[in-house]
Amino acid sequence: SQQGEEDPQALSIQEGENATMNCSYKTSINNLQWYRQNSGRGLVHLILIRSNEREKHSGRLRVTLDTSKKSSSLLITASRAADTASYFCATDKAAGNKLTFGGGTRVLVKP
Amino acid sequence: EAEVAQSPRYKITEKSQAVAFWCDPISGHATLYWYRQILGQGPELLVQFQDESVVDDSQLPKDRFSAERLKGVDSTLKIQPAELGDSAMYLCASSLGTQNEQFFGPGTRLTVL
Repeated sequence: SQQGEEDPQALSIQEGENATMNCSYKTSINNLQWYRQNSGRGLVHLILIRSNEREKHSGRLRVTLDTSKKSSSLLITASRAADTASYFCATDKAAGNKLTFGGGTRVLVKP
Repeated sequence: EAEVAQSPRYKITEKSQAVAFWCDPISGHATLYWYRQILGQGPELLVQFQDESVVDDSQLPKDRFSAERLKGVDSTLKIQPAELGDSAMYLCASSLGTQNEQFFGPGTRLTVL
């Protein structure tokens, strides 16, 4: 079963624009993580935000977490063609690193 | 840079045959995970090892799937017999411990005919 649900399922933007995707989940969590997956490849860890944090930044990435709404957002600023990938949120409910992934957002950045 | 190794990268088999996938985690990583990812969906955890012990295999279809990590280093995931619905990407990941980020291998793409 998938805990997180990403929205939108697919996103197409021009290079230089910002991309925002959202993740909603159902139960309380210890932390929420975002991963990127290029076509047919393994996943790459992007950022982890703990349940007591509200916002984190890493380079062009900004993640927010609203535990009252059980939702998170990932913002990619000044997108590049190389950002074309699928992005997944994953929740860790009990700090045991047992991740439950959402269905992903497919992002296409057009040059 | 250390990486998680998986082999084979691609496997085509006929239903009812046995298949096996191998994973070599990053050196020193105590925790190892096997995930299954159906096309268009997110990964689903099949089994989690802490050293050589299984921590969680609640989503592993134990009638046909088995996983082992005998010496607490590399791991093998086996399917016997394979079914058409097993066609998917099988991903291995490792982490230093259960509080650390997971590093994923490139995956094994399984096609069952």
